[in-house]
Amino acid sequence: SAVISQKPSRDICQRGTSLTIQCQVDSQVTMMFWYRQQPGQSLTLIATANQGSEATYESGFVIDKFPISRPNLTFSTLTVSNMSPEDSSIYLCSVVWGGGVDTEAFFGQGTRLTVV
Amino acid sequence: GQQLNQSPQSMFIQEGEDVSMNCTSSSIFNTWLWYKQDPGEGPVLLIALYKAGELTSNGRLTAQFGTTRKDSFLNISASIPSDVGIYFCAGRGTYKYIFGTGTRLKVLA
Repeated sequence: SAVISQKPSRDICQRGTSLTIQCQVDSQVTMMFWYRQQPGQSLTLIATANQGSEATYESGFVIDKFPISRPNLTFSTLTVSNMSPEDSSIYLCSVVWGGGVDTEAFFGQGTRLTVV
Repeated sequence: GQQLNQSPQSMFIQEGEDVSMNCTSSSIFNTWLWYKQDPGEGPVLLIALYKAGELTSNGRLTAQFGTTRKDSFLNISASIPSDVGIYFCAGRGTYKYIFGTGTRLKVLA
């Protein structure tokens, strides 16, 4: 499996500001996803990052709040805009590539965001 | 969004004991997966299951894809302290993953 790097690993931000999270993979991947994990909760899919086109958002998530870019097959960013304390969560990048068991989703280490 | 129901929600066990947990869904999935998440880390894939009824092992871990395709089970044999963490099941249709509510495992040495 490839190495997935997320930056920053954690941040404390003021409400009303925005934070951009980066996800870098060391090999080309088929699909990239962004998840949110609220404190003590499971993982919820925010969107599928599409290379060269607009991301596909899940119900309850909108582009204005969570703009996503994916300029190539190894890199994506998620921005959390106009943050409020309710946005305090772990944000996880996930990638899928290859076939067989290696087809499944692998995750970065996550970005722990605290909004004050 | 949709979530899968996992049980138990949490469990304390003695080192050396076997552990069982399960995951149920109202929807059918083509693939079932089990992940483990340690504090401060992203989930790590443990086992993937691709056929109804399939039984797959990975060391001390054994998982089964339920015959109805709406459930899955994970067993951990002879638990050790490093088994501590949160275990998530996930169901995959085409390419989307739906995650379970999680089972938090604590092992008492």
